[in-house]
Amino acid sequence: EPEVTQTPSHQVTQMGQEVILRCVPISNHLYFYWYRQILGQKVEFLVSFYNNEISEKSEIFDDQFSVERPDGSNFTLKIRSTKLEDSAMYFCASGGSYGDQPQHFGDGTRLSIL
Amino acid sequence: GENVEQHPSTLSVQEGDSAVIKCTYSDSASNYFPWYKQELGKGPQLIIDIRSNVGEKKDQRIAVTLNKTAKHFSLHITETQPEDSAVYFCAAPPPGSGNTGKLIFGQGTTLQVKP
Repeated sequence: EPEVTQTPSHQVTQMGQEVILRCVPISNHLYFYWYRQILGQKVEFLVSFYNNEISEKSEIFDDQFSVERPDGSNFTLKIRSTKLEDSAMYFCASGGSYGDQPQHFGDGTRLSIL
Repeated sequence: GENVEQHPSTLSVQEGDSAVIKCTYSDSASNYFPWYKQELGKGPQLIIDIRSNVGEKKDQRIAVTLNKTAKHFSLHITETQPEDSAVYFCAAPPPGSGNTGKLIFGQGTTLQVKP
């Protein structure tokens, strides 16, 4: 069964450094998402991406965050200057042809900011 | 915005018993309600979903029911097994999200199935 893959599984970064999280969505999906989950809390929406542009973003997704689909397969989340509060699990998800189709999640990247 | 409330936060059942988790949502226009299972160290896994044009959907031991009038939907797991132990999340799209796919998640329910 096709799946969403994320790399790395764990990223440790010094505060203030840039970090890029990578995702390979399911190949025929058109909608792409990033969510985050702080330890022990619920999953929070960050951004949705369709047709090579952001379709919606949350208040969390400020100017320090950006997303990109640099080629036909990868979908990346960049945090320019990381803060301690950015420490969380970051999940990539992808969905089919319409925004209200099922979203399938990867196993996440644990981001630890020191 | 959409508010998704999930109860209970923890649920402990004996193997073979049923488990029910309930979520309420605030936007009557919401039309898609997925349930996710999250095991330790893994991402949320979609286990079942329901759309607002049906009241119930079943997949083997798992079922979801939707009450649009009361704005709540529930996950039912019958004949629970130890491997059902996980955190379960409900989700719903917020109002005005159009077709962006944004989901608001509930707070999660930790289900423990005792052998």
